[in-house]
Amino acid sequence: DARVTQTPRHKVTEMGQEVTMRCQPILGHNTVFWYRQTMMQGLELLAYFRNRAPLDDSGMPKDRFSAEMPDATLATLKIQPSEPRDSAVYFCASGLVPDRFEAFFGQGTRLTVV
Amino acid sequence: TQLLEQSPQFLSIQEGENLTVYCNSSSVFSSLQWYRQEPGEGPVLLVTVVTGGEVKKLKRLTFQFGDARKDSSLHITAAQPGDTGLYLCAGPYGGATNKLIFGTGTLLAVQP
Repeated sequence: DARVTQTPRHKVTEMGQEVTMRCQPILGHNTVFWYRQTMMQGLELLAYFRNRAPLDDSGMPKDRFSAEMPDATLATLKIQPSEPRDSAVYFCASGLVPDRFEAFFGQGTRLTVV
Repeated sequence: TQLLEQSPQFLSIQEGENLTVYCNSSSVFSSLQWYRQEPGEGPVLLVTVVTGGEVKKLKRLTFQFGDARKDSSLHITAAQPGDTGLYLCAGPYGGATNKLIFGTGTLLAVQP
């Protein structure tokens, strides 16, 4: 049963610390999305990659966030330094674009910055 | 400004009632999708509608794409507690580097 895997599921960290979230997309999918979900803003697109190349990261605060895809089986989202306002659930999703512009989500990483 | 506005934001109904959730935009979309998200999980794709005026049925759920491809609706017949969750519409937006954007969401609670 193919699925997107995200680690860690939960992360509590102190303000100023670096946070790295990892995602293993579904094998064969060519697109990876990173979303952030909060009660106030809903589901916001932070960045996305197609065939490992970054296509759009306009939703991401550039000074502290970075997203990479070192290989086809791993996508990372890094926050350095973290701030309390970064507390949210971060989702990775993968898809096969443009054949089917649909996203298959992981279970998310719940980040709390204290 | 949200490109995809959903209404209502919250809906609490009794088991057995019918309901409709709306997803509206001022922009034309090549397709729209509906997802359901349960607590502690990521959104799960329910359906994709592609053609203006298209109607798709998934058991007790009926999805419709507006003729002008700017809006969509989700109708649930005889709601059950298992239908409880956050319903999200989504669509590709942005031209050459189409990105998948999500609506504001409708939180549905079905009371037994």
